[in-house]
Amino acid sequence: KAGVTQTPRYLIKTRGQQVTLSCSPISGHRSVSWYQQTPGQGLQFLFEYFSETQRNKGNFPGRFSGRQFSNSRSEMNVSTLELGDSALYLCASSRDGQEYNEQFFGPGTRLTVL
Amino acid sequence: AQSVTQLGSHVSVSEGALVLLRCNYSSSVPPYLFWYVQYPNQGLQLLLKYTSAATLVKGINGFEAEFKKSETSFHLTKPSAHMSDAAEYFCAVKRADRDDKIIFGKGTRLHILP
Repeated sequence: KAGVTQTPRYLIKTRGQQVTLSCSPISGHRSVSWYQQTPGQGLQFLFEYFSETQRNKGNFPGRFSGRQFSNSRSEMNVSTLELGDSALYLCASSRDGQEYNEQFFGPGTRLTVL
Repeated sequence: AQSVTQLGSHVSVSEGALVLLRCNYSSSVPPYLFWYVQYPNQGLQLLLKYTSAATLVKGINGFEAEFKKSETSFHLTKPSAHMSDAAEYFCAVKRADRDDKIIFGKGTRLHILP
């Protein structure tokens, strides 16, 4: 069974630009969560989607948005990029998002904002 | 609200020595607790989880953790460190009474000395 895939793996953008990251969950998984990982803040939860609906949301500004498609693939978008948005963005999928279901993480997209 | 504190951002142990990574949690409701490992340039992988069954939880790669409610701790141990254990380890908490986001600690980087 293929794992969680994220594209692209690396991105370099400049301040003010916008970026879209993609996540393909494991086949059959309907929950997709996004995290931002930085050396200073660690792993911070962005949002979770389940069956195309945002089910949970972290404390990030509205510049960060996401969506999920009917095939469970998910995208997250960051508009008006700031230097502080440089981070590793991780996507995780699980079967139905319930507490006892393991989250499987993708390798991440490393975003650098210049 | 839930929170996790990992004591020590870096821990070094000799190969063959005991590994002990400390995690203390705070939760207003019964928690689910997790340990994840992250190898360089990879996503997170679940090592083990506590979901209110046995308090001593065994995970992959010889790791185990004990849930101690009185100490609000969930320390990760391994009797004998191996070079391949060098990685970053994250403790995480999630409330058990309803679906909610996972809160991660800031991580502990484990160094194995030859």
